[in-house]
Amino acid sequence: ETGVTQSPTHLIKTRGQQVTLRCSSQSGHNTVSWYQQALGQGPQFIFQYYREEENGRGNFPPRFSGLQFPNYSSELNVNALELDDSALYLCASSLATLSIFNGYTFGSGTRLTVV
Amino acid sequence: AQSVTQLDSQVPVFEEAPVELRCNYSSSVSVYLFWYVQYPNQGLQLLLKYLSGSTLVKGINGFEAEFNKSQTSFHLRKPSVHISDTAEYFCAVSIIQGAQKLVFGQGTRLTINP
Repeated sequence: ETGVTQSPTHLIKTRGQQVTLRCSSQSGHNTVSWYQQALGQGPQFIFQYYREEENGRGNFPPRFSGLQFPNYSSELNVNALELDDSALYLCASSLATLSIFNGYTFGSGTRLTVV
Repeated sequence: AQSVTQLDSQVPVFEEAPVELRCNYSSSVSVYLFWYVQYPNQGLQLLLKYLSGSTLVKGINGFEAEFNKSQTSFHLRKPSVHISDTAEYFCAVSIIQGAQKLVFGQGTRLTINP
């Protein structure tokens, strides 16, 4: 059983640029959630995808967007990067009907630095 | 709105000593509570969870937590810690707000001194 895989592990971008982060969900999981973890903080919910549609969003602006593909993998896109977007971005997968009970399987994250 | 408060940002302890990491939650509905651990440069790993039933929950690596509804707490404990327990620990509540999601506390950094 494979876990959640995220790529890249690290990247550095310039303010104003766009970035795409990728996530492969755990085998058998059909729901993907993205979280932002700023330095010294707990993870904050960005949004969730189920059956290729966004089904919930946290307090993040529209320049944060995502996709889910038929194989349940996912992308997080951030446009017009700001310095405050520097954070660890975590992808988490789950089986939708059991998420609230079982929690999620997290990837190791992508460390984004905006300069 | 549901929220989670971790009362200590840092907890230093000596190796083989007991430790308690404190977590309080606020929720007006049934709660499902979790503790996650994050080792340096890694993602989150589930330690244990409370859904219902027995208020004492046992998890991996010798950790346990006690759900206290009257005090709205879910403190994490370990009777004897090891150097390898050095990590960041996060308490979280699972809620449905549009999507099913986790609301995390700020985290507690556990440092084990030899």
